[in-house]
Amino acid sequence: GENVEQHPSTLSVQEGDSAVIKCTYSDSASNYFPWYKQELGKGPQLIIDIRSNVGEKKDQRIAVTLNKTAKHFSLHITETQPEDSAVYFCAASIRDMRFGAGTRLTVKP
Amino acid sequence: NAGVTQTPKFQVLKTGQSMTLQCAQDMNHNSMYWYRQDPGMGLRLIYYSASEGTTDKGEVPNGYNVSRLNKREFSLRLESAAPSQTSVYFCASSGDYSNQPQHFGDGTRLSIL
Repeated sequence: GENVEQHPSTLSVQEGDSAVIKCTYSDSASNYFPWYKQELGKGPQLIIDIRSNVGEKKDQRIAVTLNKTAKHFSLHITETQPEDSAVYFCAASIRDMRFGAGTRLTVKP
Repeated sequence: NAGVTQTPKFQVLKTGQSMTLQCAQDMNHNSMYWYRQDPGMGLRLIYYSASEGTTDKGEVPNGYNVSRLNKREFSLRLESAAPSQTSVYFCASSGDYSNQPQHFGDGTRLSIL
């Protein structure tokens, strides 16, 4: 089955800096790659997703890039704010969705 | 606009007890899922229901059963709880199975002593 690895496990940045989280997947047939943000005591919330026919997608301060050849995809957050502090999960899907282990992002004011 | 609602939010059980976790969605979604979340391991799929009337095993189904009661409701049952089932359980739903955004509830925190 699909295996998703996510790095780093923790990330600390200063407010205003950029943050990058990277994921790799094992099954080249995977064709849907969502990113979720999970705040303390809450369920994961979808923040952005990308499909395998697209290389990059942006939504305001958030962007995702996909390299199908290398089988990796990344989340980029620019101009980070304290409210961006949360745990972020990547996932890859053919049919079942497999999640990475998560990245705890801390944005210091 | 409730989305996905899970009950209860917290529960403590003794080893060997049984319990059912409830989940309901109001988005008219066809597919529903149960995940468990353990520290450092992300979300792992327990069971899913691609459409009303069908259920299938996910990555970690042992010790669990599910029922798709109707299009809105999908329950998860622990017949004989074990300490290894201490976890946070999330229910999710999506419009259709496969390659669709999933919408999650806020979880049930379950401790088994």
